[in-house]
Formats: sequence, C-alpha cells, structure tokens
Amino acid sequence: EAEVAQSPRYKITEKSQAVAFWCDPISGHATLYWYRQILGQGPELLVQFQDESVVDDSQLPKDRFSAERLKGVDSTLKIQPAELGDSAMYLCASTFRTGTDEQYFGPGTRLTVT
Amino acid sequence: KQEVTQIPAALSVPEGENLVLNCSFTDSAIYNLQWFRQDPGKGLTSLLLIQSSQREQTSGRLNASLDKSSGRSTLYIAASQPGDSATYLCAVKWQGGKLIFGQGTELSVKP
Repeated sequence: EAEVAQSPRYKITEKSQAVAFWCDPISGHATLYWYRQILGQGPELLVQFQDESVVDDSQLPKDRFSAERLKGVDSTLKIQPAELGDSAMYLCASTFRTGTDEQYFGPGTRLTVT
Repeated sequence: KQEVTQIPAALSVPEGENLVLNCSFTDSAIYNLQWFRQDPGKGLTSLLLIQSSQREQTSGRLNASLDKSSGRSTLYIAASQPGDSATYLCAVKWQGGKLIFGQGTELSVKP
C-alpha cells in the first residue's frame, strides 16, 4: 500500500542550530502539506504546495522556516535557527488533488530543541 | 473564523461499551470532514471521510455522521476494545484545501 514517507523520525537539536525534514508523498499526489503539531493539540498547517508552487504559507514563520518542493515531488522543510518553542511533531500529508480528496499522513518527525 | 471543537478532551470507558465522540464546527460550507486516529508519538491514520453531500460513513465498528446545518459530526464506536485507546481527531476541509483540526479526544478503554 502506498504511503507518505518522512525522515528522520526523530531529531534532537540545540537551539540556534539548523534542522531539515524530508517528505516523499504518495506517487502521483499533486498536493503536499506540512503541519506542525504541538503536544496535546491538533495539527496546524504550515505550508501547502500544489505541484511545485506554494498555495498557502500564511502560517509559516518565514523569518526562520522555509519549505521547497523543487520538482513537484518530494519536499524539504527547514528551520534556521531552531528555537525551544519549535519542539513539536512535524507531519507531512498529501492528496491526489485539493478539494474533496482524502488526506494521507506520514509518520511524522518528532523534533526536540534543547 | 473557521474553527473545529472536540468535546470531551478525554474519555475513559470500560471495555465493551458503545461510545460517541463529538465534533462541532463553524461555517457549514464545508467540502468534507475526516476522522483520524493518532497513537502516542505516531502519525495520523485516517478512519473515515465524509463528503459534504453525505450524511454518514461506516467502517467496521465505526460510524461517523455529519449534520452540516447544525455544524456537528459524531464518531460512534461500537463494542469498544482496549486496542481502541488512542487520540481521535476531527478535521474539516473548507475551500482552499487545508484541513482545520480539533484538539482531539483522548480515549482510554479499560479492560
């Protein structure tokens, strides 16, 4: 069964360091999402891609976060510099299209900033 | 503002009991609503997807209903088992494609 892949699964970093997460969506899925989930809360959208274009990055802290999907397939989310408040689960999801399609989530990357 | 609310935040029931989880949302002009399960430290597993034109969806012991006019959805779990213990998240999709999630209900089923 096709799945969304993410790596690493766990990451511990010191504040002020740079960190990057990778996501490979289900093959053929044009829309890719990055969410951040703080412990005890529901996920919140950081950025949405349609193919290689950013559709929504209104909640992305652009002074320290960046995201790219250069060839419209896999994607990288970067934080530089990391802050203590960035400790969270970072989830990637994909859909075939936007609109009514079901979203499929990857296993997530658990980030701890010390 | 588009918001999703789940009550209660936590629920503990004995094994075998039937139970209902609640989700409410503002703005009835939704595309669809999804229920997810999340085990501790894990990603999200999609349980049921209800399109805006549908009233309910069923999968095994799970049944989800949707009432757009009242802005409510329920997830019914029949004959609960300890393996059902997890956090259940409701998410609504409005125009634009992004999901907006509730805070989740943490379910504990005691043997």
